[in-house]
Amino acid sequence: GENVEQHPSTLSVQEGDSAVIKCTYSDSASNYFPWYKQELGKGPQLIIDIRSNVGEKKDQRIAVTLNKTAKHFSLHITETQPEDSAVYFCAASRSVLNAGGTSYGKLTFGQGTILTVHP
Amino acid sequence: DGGITQSPKYLFRKEGQNVTLSCEQNLNHDAMYWYRQDPGQGLRLIYYSQIVNDFQKGDIAEGYSVSREKKESFPLTVTSAQKNPTAFYLCASNRGYGYTFGSGTRLTVV
Repeated sequence: GENVEQHPSTLSVQEGDSAVIKCTYSDSASNYFPWYKQELGKGPQLIIDIRSNVGEKKDQRIAVTLNKTAKHFSLHITETQPEDSAVYFCAASRSVLNAGGTSYGKLTFGQGTILTVHP
Repeated sequence: DGGITQSPKYLFRKEGQNVTLSCEQNLNHDAMYWYRQDPGQGLRLIYYSQIVNDFQKGDIAEGYSVSREKKESFPLTVTSAQKNPTAFYLCASNRGYGYTFGSGTRLTVV
């Protein structure tokens, strides 16, 4: 099955600096790579995702890059703010069909990165 | 608004007691999932269901049971066989690719 490795496990930056979190995956058939942000005591929220036919995607201060050949993808946060402090999870999935013939993806998550942004 | 509702938010279990965590979604999603999260840990898959009346074990299914009688509902029972149930439990669902998560249930053994 799929295995997703995420690094670093903790990341501390000063406000305004950039933060980069990296993930590698093992299944070359994986084709969808989301990133989730989890604040304390809450469920994870999708912040950005990328599909395997795209190399980079950006949404304001957040960007994700994908290198399919090397099987790794990264989250980049620029101009970090204290409210960016949270746990970030990467994930990877491939398309599967359920018994009803609907295509969906079953995610495999990385271990998470605790990001702390110091004012 | 569509979403996933988990209840209760906090749950206390006595030794030897079974408890059931509720997960309801109104997103018309086919697939639903239960994850366990321990402090400082990632998400570990307990059970998942791709379609009504069907479910599969995840990586840590021992001591847990589920049912999927309705598309909208996927309750998780933590049985007395689960020796270390104290954790944060997350329910999720999807139809295409991205998951939508509930807000979680924090279970504590007292």
